[in-house]
Amino acid sequence: SAVISQKPSRDICQRGTSLTIQCQVDSQVTMMFWYRQQPGQSLTLIATANQGSEATYESGFVIDKFPISRPNLTFSTLTVSNMSPEDSSIYLCSAGTELEAFFGQGTRLTVV
Amino acid sequence: GQNIDQPTEMTATEGAIVQINCTYQTSGFNGLFWYQQHAGEAPTFLSYNVLDGLEEKGRFSSFLSRSKGYSYLLLKELQMKDSASYLCAVRDSNYQLIWGAGTKLIIKP
Repeated sequence: SAVISQKPSRDICQRGTSLTIQCQVDSQVTMMFWYRQQPGQSLTLIATANQGSEATYESGFVIDKFPISRPNLTFSTLTVSNMSPEDSSIYLCSAGTELEAFFGQGTRLTVV
Repeated sequence: GQNIDQPTEMTATEGAIVQINCTYQTSGFNGLFWYQQHAGEAPTFLSYNVLDGLEEKGRFSSFLSRSKGYSYLLLKELQMKDSASYLCAVRDSNYQLIWGAGTKLIIKP
């Protein structure tokens, strides 16, 4: 199994600012994804992080708001830009292969 | 559209057995996952099924029938620590995970 380190684990941010979340995997993986999860709800896919190219965004999510980088197979970042209170949520990095998928511990973001 | 259905909430007794069902309709199928998620924590991988049949892993087993678009997670000898949400997810033809809303399992002594 892969171990995924995600940081920060939590943050409280002022509206209008940006936060970058980092995700580091300890082994080679083919896929990396970023999810958002509201309390008590299931996961919503934000985007697929593609190595060396632009991420593939799901409907309702755009690159200007959620820029994503993946410079190599084991590292990715998600930036939440120009934050508003509606962006308060848990953000999860997921990585794996076709056969398995694992999660980082999540970043609990509160925007005030 | 793509859809994953699972019960919202279930209650079971410590020491008993519980079965959590999941039905799915997706664009293609490349495997079904079950995850456990405790409140405030990230999901933890439990099982992966891609072929029909039962996969057993200790107290947890997962079953898949692709022709019926159906899976279940079976938890035996329930412990209080098994109280959590259980998420069913299907990997579609684009290798994206389609998630169910999760089943909140409450274990009573």
